Amino acid sequence: ETGVTQSPTHLIKTRGQQVTLRCSSQSGHNTVSWYQQALGQGPQFIFQYYREEENGRGNFPPRFSGLQFPNYSSELNVNALELDDSALYLCASSWGPRGDTQYFGPGTRLTVL
Amino acid sequence: AQSVTQLDSQVPVFEEAPVELRCNYSSSVSVYLFWYVQYPNQGLQLLLKYLSGSTLVKGINGFEAEFNKSQTSFHLRKPSVHISDTAEYFCAVTFAPSNYQLIWGAGTKLIIKP
Repeated sequence: ETGVTQSPTHLIKTRGQQVTLRCSSQSGHNTVSWYQQALGQGPQFIFQYYREEENGRGNFPPRFSGLQFPNYSSELNVNALELDDSALYLCASSWGPRGDTQYFGPGTRLTVL
Repeated sequence: AQSVTQLDSQVPVFEEAPVELRCNYSSSVSVYLFWYVQYPNQGLQLLLKYLSGSTLVKGINGFEAEFNKSQTSFHLRKPSVHISDTAEYFCAVTFAPSNYQLIWGAGTKLIIKP
């Protein structure tokens, strides 16, 4: 059974640029959730995708957007990058959107200069 | 707003001593409760979870936690810690009715002293 994978591992961008982060869900999982973890803090929920539809969203601006594909993999896109977007971005997959255990990937470390 | 509080940002403890990491949440509505561990420069690994049933939950690596509905707490315990337990521990909760969004505590760094 393949776990959750994320790419790239690390990324450096400058303010104003756009970035796309990718996540492959664990085999058999149909739900992907994205979290932002700033240094020294707990993760913050960005949004969740269930069967290719956005199922819920946290307190993040519209420049954070996502997609889920028919194979349940997912992308997180961030436009007009700001310095405060520097963080570890975590993807988690689960079977079903409600309360089931979420399994996390290793994360993508984004640095915005 | 719903919230999760981890009262201690750091907990130093001697090797082979017992440890308790505290977690409280804001609401008495139906909840699912989780503890995750994060080793340096790694992602989050599930330690244990409470969805329903027995309030004492056993997890991996010898950890256990007890759900206390009246005190809205879900404290994590281990009777004897090892140097390899050095990590950051996060408590996370989903709240009814949506139950899809994990709300996280700020984390507790467990520091094992030799």
